[in-house]
Amino acid sequence: EDKVVQSPLSLVVHEGDTVTLNCSYEVTNFRSLLWYKQEKKAPTFLFMLTSSGIEKKSGRLSSILDKKELFSILNITATQTGDSAVYLCAASHQGGSEKLVFGKGTKLTVNP
Amino acid sequence: SAVISQKPSRDICQRGTSLTIQCQVDSQVTMMFWYRQQPGQSLTLIATANQGSEATYESGFVIDKFPISRPNLTFSTLTVSNMSPEDSSIYLCSVEEFRGTEAFFGQGTRLTVV
Repeated sequence: EDKVVQSPLSLVVHEGDTVTLNCSYEVTNFRSLLWYKQEKKAPTFLFMLTSSGIEKKSGRLSSILDKKELFSILNITATQTGDSAVYLCAASHQGGSEKLVFGKGTKLTVNP
Repeated sequence: SAVISQKPSRDICQRGTSLTIQCQVDSQVTMMFWYRQQPGQSLTLIATANQGSEATYESGFVIDKFPISRPNLTFSTLTVSNMSPEDSSIYLCSVEEFRGTEAFFGQGTRLTVV
């Protein structure tokens, strides 16, 4: 059965800290790994990773995929209170079903 | 990225009734999906909405309970039928402009069944 496991499930840090969120996956016919930020209801797209070892960056956020070890990390540097959210990791299949398999998420709280 | 409008944003419904949720996209998209997020849980795919044909349902979800329509490449509806308190969840519409590209989500519908 396909599964995506995120760790830690929750994390509390102070503004300015750097955090690393982890995501491991076991998915048949893996295509890509996606990261989302969920603050209220709607997940907001952050990154899609398809190639191993190539870092994607957007401001203070960055992510990388390791297809050999079947995991990805999301880094956030110089955290701000506005980074407080649930971060979701999802894996997609190639061919046939296009569904995303989501992890349970990491709840990040950034205190001032 | 596509702009997705989902409504209603929230609703409180009586058990035994039905609610239809709408998802409108500002451009044609290949793939449209419906997800459910139960309280404290992650997202679970209900079904893939297929244009002009019956939706493809995931294990544990059936058409009688969650009928879906997709009359064209920009619009879909999900109906939650004969509701019970266990149906209280956030329901999310998701689209992929082309197969295999990143998925974007609508604003979500928070449903409470009393």
